[in-house]
Amino acid sequence: QQPVQSPQAVILREGEDAVINCSSSKALYSVHWYRQKHGEAPIFLMILLKGGEQKGHDKISASFNEKKQQSSLYLTASQLSYSGTYFCGTAYNNNDMRFGAGTRLTVKP
Amino acid sequence: NAGVMQNPRHLVRRRGQEARLRCSPMKGHSHVYWYRQLPEEGLKFMVYLQKENIIDESGMPKERFSAEFPKEGPSILRIQQVVRGDSAAYFCASSPERGVAYEQYFGPGTRLTVT
Repeated sequence: QQPVQSPQAVILREGEDAVINCSSSKALYSVHWYRQKHGEAPIFLMILLKGGEQKGHDKISASFNEKKQQSSLYLTASQLSYSGTYFCGTAYNNNDMRFGAGTRLTVKP
Repeated sequence: NAGVMQNPRHLVRRRGQEARLRCSPMKGHSHVYWYRQLPEEGLKFMVYLQKENIIDESGMPKERFSAEFPKEGPSILRIQQVVRGDSAAYFCASSPERGVAYEQYFGPGTRLTVT
């Protein structure tokens, strides 16, 4: 029931864009996105609830395609501070969440 | 506004000893989740608790692991007779309401090393 994230890793130059995908084999109730820097706690980015919505703030946005059971995280004009590992968490009911293995993003100057 | 607190931040135990990990949720939050993270891996759900109640423990190993969240005081994750494979970072997260429609705020984690 663990979601599948792709790609596993991506390297960008500052200012470039990236897309991280999160796919599930089961119908989703919600999708959470978090970023974790090495040795630190995951930081909440956003939640998307079933209904096919799209959310965003600053240059980070995400979409949730309920029909395809997947979510995508979009990072535009990446900054050095975007570096870290991005996790999606998927929930199939209202109680618990399962995290993907993560996508390691490295932004270079 | 204090965030989620976990202590200790680092814990070293010999094989066979007990480990107790504490988590104080954010003020006003009564829902706590525990996750385990191995190096370079994702977060594995362990248990979801509300005060005095275990909501979902489907991710907890059947033996040696237990969790509680009493009416007063922090949530405790207890690992009895630790083995080397228990070495990991353990994170707790809290949320203000029941369910995964609400964001979870993570604590800094406890890094357990079993020697």
